[in-house]
Amino acid sequence: GDSVTQMEGPVTLSEEAFLTINCTYTATGYPSLFWYVQYPGEGLQLLLKATKADDKGSNKGFEATYRKETTSFHLEKGSVQVSDSAVYFCALSYGGATNKLIFGTGTLLAVQP
Amino acid sequence: DTAVSQTPKYLVTQMGNDKSIKCEQNLGHDTMYWYKQDSKKFLKIMFSYNNKELIINETVPNRFSPKSPDKAHLNLHINSLELGDSAVYFCASSQTEKTQYFGPGTRLLVL
Repeated sequence: GDSVTQMEGPVTLSEEAFLTINCTYTATGYPSLFWYVQYPGEGLQLLLKATKADDKGSNKGFEATYRKETTSFHLEKGSVQVSDSAVYFCALSYGGATNKLIFGTGTLLAVQP
Repeated sequence: DTAVSQTPKYLVTQMGNDKSIKCEQNLGHDTMYWYKQDSKKFLKIMFSYNNKELIINETVPNRFSPKSPDKAHLNLHINSLELGDSAVYFCASSQTEKTQYFGPGTRLLVL
């Protein structure tokens, strides 16, 4: 079945460091891919998405490229801030009638000043 | 304006009790969802409703019963609560197959 695998956390970085959170997926078809972020004590917010191969999603300095050949959707940011500390979830969905999101296990990012 | 809201935010109760969680969205979406996040932060879909019709029921125990009185509301009733039901429950909504927007979550603790 379809699944999403994320790198285990926690990822601890100093402010202004470069961030990469790896995400790979297994899919029977051609899903859309998403990154959601969950700040402490809050719900999930959509960070970015890509709907087809080679699309790049970007938002708030974060970006991820849909790579069909490597079945990956790695999240990157050039310079992290303390305020980026959160749990990041990679997910896929086929849309359609069910439109259910299949999530990875989440990666905790801790940015230190 | 809160797009997807849930009540209550926190719920502490005893084993065996029956409780309900309410969700409302003011985005005009036609599809609503319930997700469960366990203690390890893993998120899994439980149910989805489209125009008040049940679309997804992901092998959830029948102690859990969703109810959608209209397109803007999706409630979750849980009978005979068990310790393993302790989790954060998230409601979400979308316009059919479009991006989902999540509520703030309801933190349920069963003692």
